[in-house]
Amino acid sequence: AQTVTQSQPEMSVQEAETVTLSCTYDTSESDYYLFWYKQPPSRQMILVIRQEAYKQQNATENRFSVNFQKAAKSFSLKISDSQLGDAAMYFCAYRTTSGTYKYIFGTGTRLKVLA
Amino acid sequence: ETGVTQSPTHLIKTRGQQVTLRCSSQSGHNTVSWYQQALGQGPQFIFQYYREEENGRGNFPPRFSGLQFPNYSSELNVNALELDDSALYLCASSLERVRGEQYFGPGTRLTVT
Repeated sequence: AQTVTQSQPEMSVQEAETVTLSCTYDTSESDYYLFWYKQPPSRQMILVIRQEAYKQQNATENRFSVNFQKAAKSFSLKISDSQLGDAAMYFCAYRTTSGTYKYIFGTGTRLKVLA
Repeated sequence: ETGVTQSPTHLIKTRGQQVTLRCSSQSGHNTVSWYQQALGQGPQFIFQYYREEENGRGNFPPRFSGLQFPNYSSELNVNALELDDSALYLCASSLERVRGEQYFGPGTRLTVT
């Protein structure tokens, strides 16, 4: 069974600085998707970035980028030029490409942005 | 394009009661998944519906059941509520079952007393 681990329950970053959130996962599959979701106090899960396992190039979306290390089963999220609006819970998620296609989520990292 | 909507926003039920939560998927999306998110935890997969058929189920008892309608909206029913059922229930829809991204609704906060 697949598992997703986020070892940082909480992180803080100064506004305009850079922060990296860690995520590791375990799977025996070769083809899968990885995601980072943001959940602000409003509760709605918002997709931040996604990575397809068969792509070696790390995904980038504006200030958000990932460091995908397939062999190490590591998928970290880097937020550059942090803004107050980035404060939220961040969840790493794994999704298989076979069977039910369900998402498996980590326990989340709470990001605080300090003014 | 209308996003995923859920109703109600909040509700309070008593242990032993039954509850129905509703989800309208994003326009054109044929797959709906339901998740339970306990306080301080990540979402846990309950089940998924694809074209009105259950397409997979997580580790939840049979008192958690669902439906998907021809317009792809969906219901989550929970019978014999227990205190541990108190959680945020999230619905997510996707256009493609295999490679489509899931888009989440705002959730329903269920409190069981």
